[in-house]
Amino acid sequence: QAVVTQEPSVTVSPGGTVTLTCGSSTGPVTSGHYPYWFQQKPGQVPRTLIYDTYKKHSWTPARFSGSLLGGKAALTLSGAQPEDEADYYCLLSYVGPGVFGGGTRLTVL
Amino acid sequence: EVQLLESGGGLVQPGGSLRLSCAASGFTFNNYAMSWVRQAPGKGLQWVSSITASGGSTWYADSMKGRFTVSRDNSESTLNLQVNSLRAEDTAVYYCAKGEPGNSYGAPQIWGQGTLVTVSS
Repeated sequence: QAVVTQEPSVTVSPGGTVTLTCGSSTGPVTSGHYPYWFQQKPGQVPRTLIYDTYKKHSWTPARFSGSLLGGKAALTLSGAQPEDEADYYCLLSYVGPGVFGGGTRLTVL
Repeated sequence: EVQLLESGGGLVQPGGSLRLSCAASGFTFNNYAMSWVRQAPGKGLQWVSSITASGGSTWYADSMKGRFTVSRDNSESTLNLQVNSLRAEDTAVYYCAKGEPGNSYGAPQIWGQGTLVTVSS
C-alpha cells in the first residue's frame, strides 16, 4: 500500500502564509490522485476543505487554497488566523479508496 | 441540512463483534457513495471501508478485509458496518462520511460525529 507523507508539524505567524505538502511513496502526486485536504480542530470532527486538488466547498475559508507543487499536493494558507490552528490531513486516491497522510499539526504563533 | 448520526459503538472484548450504524438525512442517500473512516485515540485518520451509491461495490482497508462488512439500506437511508474479530488496535472513533458528489469511492465530503469503539478485556 502506498504511503502518504506530510510534515509532522509546522508553525506560522498570525497573518503569515504557509504551505503544507502531501507526497506519495509511489511517485509524483498528480491530479489523478484527486487530492483532498481536511481540517480537524482539537476535540472536533474533521471538516473537508479542499477536494480534487483545488476545489473548495462553500464553507472553506477563502484564505485556503489547494494546488500541485513540486510533485506534491499542497495546501496554502494565506493570512493565517488563530482559529486555523489545527491538524490537517491530506487524502490521495489510488486504485479504489484513498490513503490518508499522517497529518500536519499547524500552530499559529 | 445534511446530518449523519452514528450509533452502535461501545466497549467490547477482544474477539467480539459490533454493528455500527449511520442514519443519514438531509440529502438523497441513494445518490452518494458512503465511507467509514476511523481515528484511534491521539492518532490520525484511517480509511476503513467504502460502498457505492447502489451498494453494488465495496472496498476495505487491507487490515479489515474479512473482518468488517459494510452495507447500506437505501430505503432507510442507513449505512452499516459489521465489525467482527475485534482487536485492541481497532479501538477508535468510527466516522461515517457522505461521499463527495461524483466520487465513486466515497471520499468524504460531510462527516458524522463519530461513535467510539473500545476493544478491551
